[in-house]
Amino acid sequence: DTGVSQDPRHKITKRGQNVTFRCDPISEHNRLYWYRQTLGQGPEFLTYFQNEAQLEKSRLLSDRFSAERPKGSFSTLEIQRTEQGDSAMYLCASSLGVTDTQYFGPGTRLTVL
Amino acid sequence: AQSVTQPDIHITVSEGASLELRCNYSYGATPYLFWYVQSPGQGLQLLLKYFSGDTLVQGIKGFEAEFKRSQSSFNLRKPSVHWSDAAEYFCAVGARDTGNQFYFGTGTSLTVIP
Repeated sequence: DTGVSQDPRHKITKRGQNVTFRCDPISEHNRLYWYRQTLGQGPEFLTYFQNEAQLEKSRLLSDRFSAERPKGSFSTLEIQRTEQGDSAMYLCASSLGVTDTQYFGPGTRLTVL
Repeated sequence: AQSVTQPDIHITVSEGASLELRCNYSYGATPYLFWYVQSPGQGLQLLLKYFSGDTLVQGIKGFEAEFKRSQSSFNLRKPSVHWSDAAEYFCAVGARDTGNQFYFGTGTSLTVIP
């Protein structure tokens, strides 16, 4: 399978805990995007990378959210001190270039109790 | 500011009937436009895209969409709907001047009646 993969698919955590999600993009895709999707809404852009450089992070929801892509391959999204409002589906997408189609992974569904 | 509006939250059609899902966008320049479909528990699957050129684009599963600059619209159509088309449909605009981050509409949920 050469598509975008995300791990874990589901995460249940207690309020105040930290969580980390992983995204493996399609091989050789140099752009990687993170989105959040809440129930009944379309995905909302959070941040993106070109190779290892994070080119846009002003749309991250708060300073509790951070993302990395240290070697320009996989990426992680961390949420610190989770709140119930963080419960959502977190989607990752990758593309070959700025004008290329974004291909989405299956998402990680986070539930904060 | 960039935005996408999908006016129809939910649509019900009979199997075999034609379908049109509406999408209006707001963007200062010529946009990249996309339609994605999302089935329960599945990721977003690309149906079709418009970058430039012919304003009528063909996609997978018999879908097509037409870009109308004057109306800022990119409506999705299918001449004959199949039961397997029941899903959530999202229109998105790619902001080409800001890294092509996508702005999505709120989606249209399609129900297909046998």
